[in-house]
Amino acid sequence: KAGVTQTPRYLIKTRGQQVTLSCSPISGHRSVSWYQQTPGQGLQFLFEYFSETQRNKGNFPGRFSGRQFSNSRSEMNVSTLELGDSALYLCASSPGTPNQPQHFGDGTRLSIL
Amino acid sequence: QQQVKQSPQSLIVQKGGISIINCAYENTAFDYFPWYQQFPGKGPALLIAIRPDVSEKKEGRFTISFNKSAKQFSLHIMDSQPGDSATYFCAASKVGDDKIIFGKGTRLHILP
Repeated sequence: KAGVTQTPRYLIKTRGQQVTLSCSPISGHRSVSWYQQTPGQGLQFLFEYFSETQRNKGNFPGRFSGRQFSNSRSEMNVSTLELGDSALYLCASSPGTPNQPQHFGDGTRLSIL
Repeated sequence: QQQVKQSPQSLIVQKGGISIINCAYENTAFDYFPWYQQFPGKGPALLIAIRPDVSEKKEGRFTISFNKSAKQFSLHIMDSQPGDSATYFCAASKVGDDKIIFGKGTRLHILP
């Protein structure tokens, strides 16, 4: 079974631009969560989507948004990029039913110049 | 507010020794406590997890000890090996909630 796939693996953008990251969950998984990982703040929850609906949201500004498609694939968008948005963005999927662990992809490394 | 506190930040252990990482949580609504292992360039991988109705769970060389009254839990790695060198994260969540709250991580280095 293929794992969680995130594309692209690396991305370089400049301040003020916007970016879209993609995540393909494990086949059959209906829940997709996004996390931001930085050396200073560690792993922080961004949001979770289940059956195309945002089910949970972390404490990030509205510049961070996401969506989920009918095939459970998800995208995350960050608008008006700031230097502080440089981070590893991780996607995790799970079946979405209780007591099931989340499985992470290897992330997209976003660098803002 | 840091809901899951993890210590130490870094740890060096001799090969064959016991590695111990400690975590404490604040929210009594948490009832699922996973540990993740992360290697450089990779995403976190679930190592072992425990629920508060048990005080200990063992899987191979990895053991979680859980103290519900103290709101603390710890990971013990027995017979530590150089291949165990990685960053370890404790975490907490509520059953049925895919939002995971992570500790800050412990960078473990096992000396050969």
